[in-house]
Amino acid sequence: AQKITQTQPGMFVQEKEAVTLDCTYDTSDQSYGLFWYKQPSSGEMIFLIYQGSYDEQNATEGRYSLNFQKARKSANLVISASQLGDSAMYFCAMRENTGNQFYFGTGTSLTVIP
Amino acid sequence: DAGVIQSPRHEVTEMGQEVTLRCKPISGHNSLFWYRQTMMRGLELLIYFNNNVPIDDSGMPEDRFSAKMPNASFSTLKIQPSEPRDSAVYFCASSLRQIRSYEQYFGPGTRLTVT
Repeated sequence: AQKITQTQPGMFVQEKEAVTLDCTYDTSDQSYGLFWYKQPSSGEMIFLIYQGSYDEQNATEGRYSLNFQKARKSANLVISASQLGDSAMYFCAMRENTGNQFYFGTGTSLTVIP
Repeated sequence: DAGVIQSPRHEVTEMGQEVTLRCKPISGHNSLFWYRQTMMRGLELLIYFNNNVPIDDSGMPEDRFSAKMPNASFSTLKIQPSEPRDSAVYFCASSLRQIRSYEQYFGPGTRLTVT
């Protein structure tokens, strides 16, 4: 079974609008971490945001927030007030504390339309 | 602060040749990861080290691949002999295991083309 599932291969959003990128995960660990990374066309992988499995509040970093729904095993990324520079691939990832394994999803390509 | 440094940034080689990719992690980080990214297979973890010790190399494709971390500031990924199917972008990432989030910071990648 896939550890990380990103069901949206591609997404479009109008500039200045908000967009949600979906991510579901599969683990039997009680302690784990969830991450989002951005990969622009230049190729580098940029860490955006982290959510711990025991965190009660949703993580926020500037215009990025993580909508964490533990019972549903989802960790959606919300980008508010989209900018043209947000156009990139976005990867959801999970670290299982048992065994310290790190898993990436297949990514969602986001295009911001002016 | 310097990020993760990888060299070379681009490598073009002929099938059968040996290829060595290099990585310098962020100073003070104690975990290092090697990934391979292709369109077909996405991002794959090849191997990772904690405190210079290889912990999990189950992602290494086959015996042609080997990785070393002789000290805390340097790691290599070697492919010998290289094959066209090894063409990919290879990323090195480092992290600090003691912090709660333990997020990984990636290098710029090495784009490998094997002809």
